[in-house]
Amino acid sequence: GENVEQHPSTLSVQEGDSAVIKCTYSDSASNYFPWYKQELGKGPQLIIDIRSNVGEKKDQRIAVTLNKTAKHFSLHITETQPEDSAVYFCAALLSGSARQLTFGSGTQLTVLP
Amino acid sequence: ETGVTQTPRHLVMGMTNKKSLKCEQHLGHNAMYWYKQSAKKPLELMFVYSLEERVENNSVPSRFSPECPNSSHLFLHLHTLQPEDSALYLCASSQEGGIGTEAFFGQGTRLTVV
Repeated sequence: GENVEQHPSTLSVQEGDSAVIKCTYSDSASNYFPWYKQELGKGPQLIIDIRSNVGEKKDQRIAVTLNKTAKHFSLHITETQPEDSAVYFCAALLSGSARQLTFGSGTQLTVLP
Repeated sequence: ETGVTQTPRHLVMGMTNKKSLKCEQHLGHNAMYWYKQSAKKPLELMFVYSLEERVENNSVPSRFSPECPNSSHLFLHLHTLQPEDSALYLCASSQEGGIGTEAFFGQGTRLTVV
């Protein structure tokens, strides 16, 4: 089965700086890579995703890059704000069913004012 | 608001109690899931229902019993739990099929077993 590793487990940045979270996956057949943000007391919410036929995707201050050859993908947050503080999870999907989603262990991002 | 509603938000129960967690989705999806989220661990998939039929049970102890009466509702019945079962239980839904099926999560039920 798929195995997803996520680094770092904790990340602190100054407000306005950029944050980068990296994930690697093991199964080259995985074709969909979502990122979830989980704020305290809430469930995970999808913030951006990328499919295997695309190398990069941007949505305002967040972007995701995918390197299929190296089997890793990264989340980039620019101009960080205190409200970006949360736990971020990456995931990889092997097929068209969300039951095959494999999650990383999460990164606690803290944006210091 | 993601369209997936879980109740209760918090639950404290003794080891001999019986309780149920409820999940409702208003998205018209055909699959629903229960996940367990413990501190410093990846999300663990517990059960999957697709078209109201249980299709996956990831070696979950029998003290957890899911029920899916229709495509919009999902329950998790709890009986004689252990303190190590204390965790955040998350419900999710998705539309099966296609490429890249997005999963929508509820807010979760914070369960404490005493």
